[in-house]
Amino acid sequence: GAGVSQSPSNKVTEKGKDVELRCDPISGHTALYWYRQRLGQGLEFLIYFQGNSAPDKSGLPSDRFSAERTGESVSTLTIQRTQQEDSAVYLCASSLLTAVSYEQYFGPGTRLTVT
Amino acid sequence: RKEVEQDPGPFNVPEGATVAFNCTYSNSASQSFFWYRQDCRKEPKLLMSVYSSGNEDGRFTAQLNRASQYISLLIRDSKLSDSATYLCVVNRGAGNMLTFGGGTRLMVKP
Repeated sequence: GAGVSQSPSNKVTEKGKDVELRCDPISGHTALYWYRQRLGQGLEFLIYFQGNSAPDKSGLPSDRFSAERTGESVSTLTIQRTQQEDSAVYLCASSLLTAVSYEQYFGPGTRLTVT
Repeated sequence: RKEVEQDPGPFNVPEGATVAFNCTYSNSASQSFFWYRQDCRKEPKLLMSVYSSGNEDGRFTAQLNRASQYISLLIRDSKLSDSATYLCVVNRGAGNMLTFGGGTRLMVKP
């Protein structure tokens, strides 16, 4: 079946511009996560959505970052007034979340370059 | 102390070698454990879950030591295609949030 998809695959933007990144999770997966991975670094958790519950925003690095999710489908991550330190790969993952399974499945990521 | 700690490597091994990675975690309430693989400039992919009794998948064996709070991954008969970064992943306490280690880089040489 279809996996997690993300768009765009690459985005180059000028410092100060806003960008919007999109994630389509695996159909039926109730949980959706956003991560950031800087070059040569590990995964940094950003935000988590689970069903209709309030999202866990504890990983968002500043108020320039926000995300939305419509029901159990598409999510968008928005970065306002981008800075050079925002350059990274933004990864989205989804999970089915059964009583015994927490595996997350990742999309290919969006590579963001802020010039 | 980091929630999940791994030796970043790199581990350079010849084809056919056996190599083992360890990972330690700090939250004693963690219940779910995984190894993910990440190839260069690609997304992480689930390699295997780690069960309390230990589990094997072909050339890969994962073990969990709850008392010492560490997880291991053993790769036998290494292939060139095993070259990647291996991420140790643990859930945060009783919940479904996962914490990813920084990864251990493996390079298998001919």
